[in-house]
Amino acid sequence: EPEVTQTPSHQVTQMGQEVILRCVPISNHLYFYWYRQILGQKVEFLVSFYNNEISEKSEIFDDQFSVERPDGSNFTLKIRSTKLEDSAMYFCASSEAGGVPGANVLTFGAGSRLTVL
Amino acid sequence: AQSVTQLGSHVSVSEGALVLLRCNYSSSVPPYLFWYVQYPNQGLQLLLKYTSAATLVKGINGFEAEFKKSETSFHLTKPSAHMSDAAEYFCAVSRGYIPTFGRGTSLIVHP
Repeated sequence: EPEVTQTPSHQVTQMGQEVILRCVPISNHLYFYWYRQILGQKVEFLVSFYNNEISEKSEIFDDQFSVERPDGSNFTLKIRSTKLEDSAMYFCASSEAGGVPGANVLTFGAGSRLTVL
Repeated sequence: AQSVTQLGSHVSVSEGALVLLRCNYSSSVPPYLFWYVQYPNQGLQLLLKYTSAATLVKGINGFEAEFKKSETSFHLTKPSAHMSDAAEYFCAVSRGYIPTFGRGTSLIVHP
């Protein structure tokens, strides 16, 4: 069964440091996503990526965040200067393109837990 | 804006008992609705989805959900809980290609 893989599984960093979370989506998928879940809260949408550019982003995805697909397989989320409130589980997901918008199914990775001290 | 509300952050049942996880949605257009499950140390996996073909949707592992427009609900049920059902369950509604998730309900199954 194809899967989305995320690294690292857990990262601890100091406030103000840059963090890069990495994801390898399923190879034939064309939509990529980042979500995050702060402990005890909702799974929140951050950004979606299609055709090598951001297709949508939420209010959370401010100038501190960026995404990149540096090669044909990796999809990264960078946080430039981490804040305490960035501590969360970050989920990468991917989905096939096409079909009826709204009916597409996302395949998620196991998540990267970020702890900012 | 579309959103979902999951009632109860934790639901505890005995093995063999009925499982009922509640989800209410808010949507200005006919929604696409999903239930995802997250087992420990794994990513979210699709349990089932509603795309207007039938109001009662059957998913994997014996779960099903019924879309009730009059109640704006999409509750998840399973007649008989198994220990392996212990997990976090997320309801989601989709807008375009972007699902919006609830905060999740943790299902605890007692022997």
